[in-house]
Amino acid sequence: QLQLQESGPGLVKPSETLSLTCTVSGGSISSSGYYWGWIRQPPGKGLEWIGSIYYSGGTYYNASLKSRVTISVDTSKNQFSLKLSSVTAADTALYYCASHPVRLYYFDYWGQGTLVTVSS
Amino acid sequence: QSALTQPASVSGSPGQSITISCTGISSDVGNLVSWYQQHPGKAPKLMIYEGSKRPSGVSNRFYVSKSGNTASLTISGLQAEDEADYYCCSYAGNSDVVFGGGTKLTVL
Repeated sequence: QLQLQESGPGLVKPSETLSLTCTVSGGSISSSGYYWGWIRQPPGKGLEWIGSIYYSGGTYYNASLKSRVTISVDTSKNQFSLKLSSVTAADTALYYCASHPVRLYYFDYWGQGTLVTVSS
Repeated sequence: QSALTQPASVSGSPGQSITISCTGISSDVGNLVSWYQQHPGKAPKLMIYEGSKRPSGVSNRFYVSKSGNTASLTISGLQAEDEADYYCCSYAGNSDVVFGGGTKLTVL
């Protein structure tokens, strides 16, 4: 049973870069069958997919966030990470990491989520 | 990238059936539609994938139908524990994934 756990600062200043890491346990991030993704949820609002990465480093991103997003993977640590630059208050959200099978865009395993607040 | 359209809220009494629609699904994504249940303070839980499949442990009271660009999640025999937010999700082509705005289900 895969388990995912997000970690990172809960408070980021406007214009700075948000950085989060997701640690995968119960399985290898190098599994050929899975992509690893980030999804966010502003307080009281709906879900928004941010982007996904394959263990070999291939990525695809939400077009509306693409210019500010970088997702990377560290197979030696069984982790993948999110960086979102030039943040504003609109980026305040609960950030989830999740897995989805290759070419099948459903998210079957989720982390518990971590709240990131953008404020000075 | 446009979010899929869901009703903001639906309600039903215990034992009844309710349906949540999800409109705006591209006709060429096949069965790449999934549904999630989210209780307050919890992570979303996968309820339906590849259009109509249920993960192990998900009740067969949850099922999906599709017509044109709309998928609909039906919950039959409504139970108090079904009260939650529900989200549809679809592959939108061009390596894009889109969620619906979410529907709050109230069990009266």
